[in-house]
Amino acid sequence: GENVEQHPSTLSVQEGDSAVIKCTYSDSASNYFPWYKQELGKRPQLIIDIRSNVGEKKDQRIAVTLNKTAKHFSLHITETQPEDSAVYFCAANTNAGKSTFGDGTTLTVKP
Amino acid sequence: GAVVSQHPSWVICKSGTSVKIECRSLDFQATTMFWYRQFPKQSLMLMATSNEGSKATYEQGVEKDKFLINHASLTLSTLTVTSAHPEDSSFYICSVPREGSNQPQHFGDGTRLSIL
Repeated sequence: GENVEQHPSTLSVQEGDSAVIKCTYSDSASNYFPWYKQELGKRPQLIIDIRSNVGEKKDQRIAVTLNKTAKHFSLHITETQPEDSAVYFCAANTNAGKSTFGDGTTLTVKP
Repeated sequence: GAVVSQHPSWVICKSGTSVKIECRSLDFQATTMFWYRQFPKQSLMLMATSNEGSKATYEQGVEKDKFLINHASLTLSTLTVTSAHPEDSSFYICSVPREGSNQPQHFGDGTRLSIL
């Protein structure tokens, strides 16, 4: 089955700096890569996603890149703010919309 | 507004009790729903795929007799944790996928289960 690895597990940045989280996947059939932000005790919230026919997508301060050949994708957050502090998960979807999640990255943005 | 409703949000009960969690798709019919479990400071792990009108598909290592899934209608799936023990304490989340593998899934708000 699919295996998703996510790095780093923790990330601390100064407010205003950029944060980058990287993921790799194993199944070349995966075609959809969502990123989720999860606050303590709450459900994951989709923040951005990318499909396999696209190499890059941007939404304001958040961008995602996908390299299908290397099977890796990355989340970039620019101009970080304290409210960006949360746990971020990458995921890869194979058939029927089933997601395999990375282990998560705890992002701390210091004011 | 929410497209997936999950209840209850929080359960505390004694060891040996069975607990039922409901997941409802509010705005569209769902032939498939997913059930995840998340232990503290860990990722979401898929437990099973709930299939309307047929048996659920369980992931490797998940006990079918322990975690009973029923998907009797196109809008409702239930997960029953039978004879729950402290090690079953976790955050359980259901999700409803959109049609197609390259679409986001919609998560319920989750159920915090604490077994004493």
